[in-house]
Amino acid sequence: DAGVTQSPTHLIKTRGQHVTLRCSPISGHKSVSWYQQVLGQGPQFIFQYYEKEERGRGNFPDRFSARQFPNYSSELNVNALLLGDSALYLCASSLRAANYEQYFGPGTRLTVT
Amino acid sequence: AQSVTQLGSHVSVSEGALVLLRCNYSSSVPPYLFWYVQYPNQGLQLLLKYTSAATLVKGINGFEAEFKKSETSFHLTKPSAHMSDAAEYFCAVIPAAGNTPLVFGKGTRLSVIA
Repeated sequence: DAGVTQSPTHLIKTRGQHVTLRCSPISGHKSVSWYQQVLGQGPQFIFQYYEKEERGRGNFPDRFSARQFPNYSSELNVNALLLGDSALYLCASSLRAANYEQYFGPGTRLTVT
Repeated sequence: AQSVTQLGSHVSVSEGALVLLRCNYSSSVPPYLFWYVQYPNQGLQLLLKYTSAATLVKGINGFEAEFKKSETSFHLTKPSAHMSDAAEYFCAVIPAAGNTPLVFGKGTRLSVIA
């Protein structure tokens, strides 16, 4: 079975631009969470979606938004990019809303110049 | 609020030596605890998790961790390091009742010297 997949693998954007990152969960998993991992730090929670509804939001500005589609895939959108948004963005899926069995994708490396 | 402290941002061991990576947590309610490993340019892989069953948890690749409530610790160990163990290791916590997100420590980079 395929694991969590994310696209693109790498992305370079300019300050002020907008970016969309995509995630496909493991088949049958209904929950998707997004994390930001800045170099040298642990991942920080951004959003969780379960059954297409937002279940949780971390301490991130409104420039960050996300949605989940009927097939449970998800998009993370970031507007007005700042240099500080440069990070590895990780997607994790789980069968249920509870997060004690999360499986992570390989991540999207975003560089903002 | 839950938090995790990983002591030592970088640990270096010789091949064949004991690996000990330290993790202390704070949680106002019984926690679930996790260790994840991240190899260069990859995502996170679950090594093991504690979910209030046995306090000694065995994971993949020969790793294990012991939940010690009195010390609020969940240290990760492996009896004999292998070169392939070189990676970044993250401890994480959620409350057992939990529908809250994982809270990660800052990570410990493990180097294995031949």
